[in-house]
Amino acid sequence: DGGITQSPKYLFRKEGQNVTLSCEQNLNHDAMYWYRQDPGQGLRLIYYSQIVNDFQKGDIAEGYSVSREKKESFPLTVTSAQKNPTAFYLCASSTSTGNYGYTFGSGTRLTVV
Amino acid sequence: GENVEQHPSTLSVQEGDSAVIKCTYSDSASNYFPWYKQELGKRPQLIIDIRSNVGEKKDQRIAVTLNKTAKHFSLHITETQPEDSAVYFCAASIQGSDKLIFGTGTRLQVFP
Repeated sequence: DGGITQSPKYLFRKEGQNVTLSCEQNLNHDAMYWYRQDPGQGLRLIYYSQIVNDFQKGDIAEGYSVSREKKESFPLTVTSAQKNPTAFYLCASSTSTGNYGYTFGSGTRLTVV
Repeated sequence: GENVEQHPSTLSVQEGDSAVIKCTYSDSASNYFPWYKQELGKRPQLIIDIRSNVGEKKDQRIAVTLNKTAKHFSLHITETQPEDSAVYFCAASIQGSDKLIFGTGTRLQVFP
């Protein structure tokens, strides 16, 4: 998976349920990101982290939470407060050396049932 | 806030023709402009990028041009092939961070 792995590939959530999406990278990248992709729209930033134990909200953080306890891992929790969670979620990572190039994971498609 | 506008949203071309996708960015301090290709259900993959100290960059059939004064950059694909069919995203760096801001994407269809 090119050094960054997302799981699961497909996830179904019931109303009122919290779910956690996994993102792991072995690229030794400092920065990690979560984006949401809806049909016909671009990539919208949910949360990002530039170093371990630190993260910042992106443009659409409401209803989501993250943690960054290890450099390799940046899980995203979609809480019951997120009213419209059905989307394709992409995790990405990059170095913090000014190169800016992102490596993306293969994505998780979340559906509310 | 910073934003990137991308046009057109859809583009259909005949195989062998050229395709051009244009983006405009708002942050004059942006200095890195990558382009990503996303095939259906797959992850976006970097296909070419350009930095603000360069006006044009080419890689085989793909080229990117940058006009810093006008805050425009464009992707040019020549001799298009059916496998070029995908969604293409432009992006621009945000000053003082490692973040990129993405355009809304262009769905390119190349007909045989």
